[in-house]
Amino acid sequence: QLLLQESGPGLVKPSETLSLTCTVSGGSISSSSYCWGWIRQPPGKGLEWIGSIFYSGSTYYNPSLKSRVTISVDTSKIQFSLKLNSVTAADTAVYYCARRPALGGSSNWYFDLWGRGTLVTVSS
Amino acid sequence: SYELTQPPSVSVSPGQTASITCSGDKLGDKYACWYQQRPGQSPVLVIYQDTKRPSGIPERFSGSNSGNTATLTISGTQAMDEADYYCQAWDSSTVVFGGGTKLTVL
Repeated sequence: QLLLQESGPGLVKPSETLSLTCTVSGGSISSSSYCWGWIRQPPGKGLEWIGSIFYSGSTYYNPSLKSRVTISVDTSKIQFSLKLNSVTAADTAVYYCARRPALGGSSNWYFDLWGRGTLVTVSS
Repeated sequence: SYELTQPPSVSVSPGQTASITCSGDKLGDKYACWYQQRPGQSPVLVIYQDTKRPSGIPERFSGSNSGNTATLTISGTQAMDEADYYCQAWDSSTVVFGGGTKLTVL
């Protein structure tokens, strides 16, 4: 069974870079059948998509975060990563990695598998 | 930017039908999906491509999407269905989530 697991520091200082990794176990990340994404949820608030990446390296980013976000994939390590720079307290959230099936059409986006999430707090 | 609007809360009695709406401009021309999120847990996909249920999701969950509104319907609502529900769509190369609806089973 495919599992996604987020990892990374739980505390980041303001103005620094938040770095998280999602490890995919029990399956392959190198498939055109899927793309991989990051979604976050501030405490007590709703879901916000950060961005997604195909194994080929093609990326889509939330326009509101695009200037600060980089998502990359390492197929050899079966991981994909998130970097968010110049963080502030507003970036405090639970960060989820998730899988999107890519065979249903270019406009058919949904996430069918999620990691457990990791809380990242931005504070000095 | 595209927006999806959900009611903040919906209440339903056990055994009754709950309907949660999601509104967006010409949403019926896009694919909508729905997630259930219980407290302290990750979101779970319950409806995708407007009407389809993933494997393992009970038949009491159904979806529709027409005009400007997508609707998640839960028939014979159970106490375990109490959760936050989020709609989501794709517009202009962006994933958009609704603000979420807290379903209370009284």
